[in-house]
Amino acid sequence: EAQVTQNPRYLITVTGKKLTVTCSQNMNHEYMSWYRQDPGLGLRQIYYSMNVEVTDKGDVPEGYKVSRKEKRNFPLILESPSPNQTSLYFCASSSRDPGWSNSDTQYFGPGTRLTVL
Amino acid sequence: QKEVEQNSGPLSVPEGAIASLNCTYSDRVSQSFFWYRQYSGKSPELIMSIYSNGDKEDGRFTAQLNKASQYVSLLIRDSQPSDSATYLCAVNPHYNQGGKLIFGQGTELSVKP
Repeated sequence: EAQVTQNPRYLITVTGKKLTVTCSQNMNHEYMSWYRQDPGLGLRQIYYSMNVEVTDKGDVPEGYKVSRKEKRNFPLILESPSPNQTSLYFCASSSRDPGWSNSDTQYFGPGTRLTVL
Repeated sequence: QKEVEQNSGPLSVPEGAIASLNCTYSDRVSQSFFWYRQYSGKSPELIMSIYSNGDKEDGRFTAQLNKASQYVSLLIRDSQPSDSATYLCAVNPHYNQGGKLIFGQGTELSVKP
């Protein structure tokens, strides 16, 4: 089954404790992205990747890091989480550039709800 | 001005009516536009993409793009309660800037039986 998986699905942590949210896709997609979703703000892109070792900043990259060492994985790293990073995070992958995608080429993961105390 | 703006709603329409969702964007060189649907507690899913001025129809959904006026809209004909969701407009802000998408804040649609 084609899917994007994220782990963990729920996480409560404390300020400053480094954490990683994993994202993996089994569709051999080149493009992957991380988004955060906050009430009233919609989805905001954090980072995106066009292929292995190729990443770029989205609209809200501050406080986050990513890496793309393998095609299937795109982890999101919070080196020193702060309460303003409390949010719902989505990973997405697509076989085409998501800026030129069709509905059968893009997939979102189930989301990770992060709370930073 | 936000790069992509939508009315947050909620927009309430009766079953069978046409729901009209609107989105404006600020970057004149934007080339591609998308509508996502997100049910409560679920992930977004892409339902429509449009790249050229005019209308694009897919079943009960019609996307309309007017680049001169910098707006894109989504019409849902014969609205059903199952269409109740938040609809997100997204824009690829720059030609050939691969991978980047900017979303509006979403419009909540409620279809009443």
